Amino acid sequence: NAGVMQNPRHLVRRRGQEARLRCSPMKGHSHVYWYRQLPEEGLKFMVYLQKENIIDESGMPKERFSAEFPKEGPSILRIQQVVRGDSAAYFCASSPPTNVAGELFFGEGSRLTVL
Amino acid sequence: GDSVTQMEGPVTLSEEAFLTINCTYTATGYPSLFWYVQYPGEGLQLLLKATKADDKGSNKGFEATYRKETTSFHLEKGSVQVSDSAVYFCALKIQGAQKLVFGQGTRLTINP
Repeated sequence: NAGVMQNPRHLVRRRGQEARLRCSPMKGHSHVYWYRQLPEEGLKFMVYLQKENIIDESGMPKERFSAEFPKEGPSILRIQQVVRGDSAAYFCASSPPTNVAGELFFGEGSRLTVL
Repeated sequence: GDSVTQMEGPVTLSEEAFLTINCTYTATGYPSLFWYVQYPGEGLQLLLKATKADDKGSNKGFEATYRKETTSFHLEKGSVQVSDSAVYFCALKIQGAQKLVFGQGTRLTINP
């Protein structure tokens, strides 16, 4: 039973390029969450999505960042025109539709380095 | 707003020492509380949780008790091992919400 799958695990981009991070939730999970972990800091919530819907994007920067979770395929976090401050680990988590227990299941993260 | 405050790290202990990592929270309503652990180069794994006041979560020798009166959820272990070296995150989930709100994490290093 595969867990949350993220790719790429490591991504290097130059300033001004685009970064695309992908997340496939656990089987049976339809809710996806993206978190960012800056070096030596905690996890900051970015966005919460269900299939084809953004439910809560209160943690997303207003510019350059977008997220989607299409009907088919993985969720994608897209960062346009990356800057050095975007260098971080981006974690995806998933949960089942009725998450009474409240637990989130995390992937191993995608580490973005902006040169 | 809802928030979690953890004990500042890093924390360094010797093997078999007693561990406490403090966690306090601010939340509307009655949140569920969690401890997650992150080993080097990996994602977060759920360590334990408690969903209502006075509940005690436990796993792998770790324990934490949901204290409503002090809004705390301190993590404890009686005898730590080198393999416990990791970053520990306290988190809360508000009733009716889906996302978790995390503390800043506490890096723990256990020396042999």
